[in-house]
Amino acid sequence: GAGVSQSPSNKVTEKGKDVELRCDPISGHTALYWYRQRLGQGLEFLIYFQGNSAPDKSGLPSDRFSAERTGESVSTLTIQRTQQEDSAVYLCASSYDSYGYTFGSGTRLTVV
Amino acid sequence: KNQVEQSPQSLIILEGKNCTLQCNYTVSPFSNLRWYKQDTGRGPVSLTIMTFSENTKSNGRYTATLDADTKQSSLHITASQLSDSASYICVVSATTGYNKLIFGAGTRLAVHP
Repeated sequence: GAGVSQSPSNKVTEKGKDVELRCDPISGHTALYWYRQRLGQGLEFLIYFQGNSAPDKSGLPSDRFSAERTGESVSTLTIQRTQQEDSAVYLCASSYDSYGYTFGSGTRLTVV
Repeated sequence: KNQVEQSPQSLIILEGKNCTLQCNYTVSPFSNLRWYKQDTGRGPVSLTIMTFSENTKSNGRYTATLDADTKQSSLHITASQLSDSASYICVVSATTGYNKLIFGAGTRLAVHP
């Protein structure tokens, strides 16, 4: 596609439920990032995928968070047993080199 | 600790006026600095990218400066338009092999008619 596509755009879930967020990167982009943006705050790095290398999971805030990526295609971010503090916009970005980052529009997650 | 600080936190200006946003960083080792514009409900969109050797870079009415010695950058917006209303985010890349981005909290700019 022409850009990074994220779905759903909005998700409201009950506390304790699991949610799965999806990111479709730009075709050919080997690098994929997940970020979290809490209201009024800067983006927080969550996880980074580069080709077939082991992902950098150093930004994941707890073991309730996990992400998968098959090859250089779609990635899913899973949050288990959601908590209210998980409410945020989750942004995905992909790039083909060190400079060409393209962000998706994000998934706004609200945990009630 | 790698940090990016932006000021002001928010800013209101009248249409047609100029403004300057500030960014100070303590990221090391430094790779590059970017300014992004983020409209409400959208992902960030890149405005400029500068490496260590670049002092200034322009993109239309946006001009970014970088002083790598003092670790400061600014984004100057000329002849502001209502569509400039957005958050402007300073992002510094640390050279860790794959350029992990470190984001500032952003400056929220409102341009009023």
